[in-house]
Amino acid sequence: GAGVSQTPSNKVTEKGKYVELRCDPISGHTALYWYRQSLGQGPEFLIYFQGTGAADDSGLPNDRFFAVRPEGSVSTLKIQRTERGDSAVYLCASSLGSLKNNEQFFGPGTRLTVL
Amino acid sequence: AQSVTQLGSHVSVSEGALVLLRCNYSSSVPPYLFWYVQYPNQGLQLLLKYTSAATLVKGINGFEAEFKKSETSFHLTKPSAHMSDAAEYFCAVEDDKIIFGKGTRLHILP
Repeated sequence: GAGVSQTPSNKVTEKGKYVELRCDPISGHTALYWYRQSLGQGPEFLIYFQGTGAADDSGLPNDRFFAVRPEGSVSTLKIQRTERGDSAVYLCASSLGSLKNNEQFFGPGTRLTVL
Repeated sequence: AQSVTQLGSHVSVSEGALVLLRCNYSSSVPPYLFWYVQYPNQGLQLLLKYTSAATLVKGINGFEAEFKKSETSFHLTKPSAHMSDAAEYFCAVEDDKIIFGKGTRLHILP
């Protein structure tokens, strides 16, 4: 596709449930990033991939959060035992390579609501 | 660690007036700095980027920002505000990933 796509656009779940959020980066982009944006805040870095491997996962808040990118393209962010505090917009972005020389393109986000 | 601080969570200016959104950075090395804009119900869009090539950076929609090392600042300006500029603006710094500030919501008064 022309841009970064994310599915679903909205997800409502109950506390304690498991959710998966999907990101399709721009074709050919080797770097993929996940951010979380809570209401009234700036996006907060979670994890980024270079190819299939997680180059930096220092932003994941705890071990309930996990992300994969098995074939170096699509990525899935997985959240176990969801809590109300996980409610936020989850943003995915991709770039051709290093952000020093390449622009990062953002998807529209997935709005997660935990009841 | 790299970080940015945006001064003022809300800024209101009259249509046609100067827009000034403030950002200060903290970095141990020469930083790559960005301004992003987020219009209501839309995704993040890059306004401009500083990469040390020039201290005054021009972006889209008439915005520009000046890198001032002595002040560790990267303030965003636009000479004349339009109603369509109403949005959330984020200053950010590159640290292999993007580290965002908390954002400044710009309100344009008619």
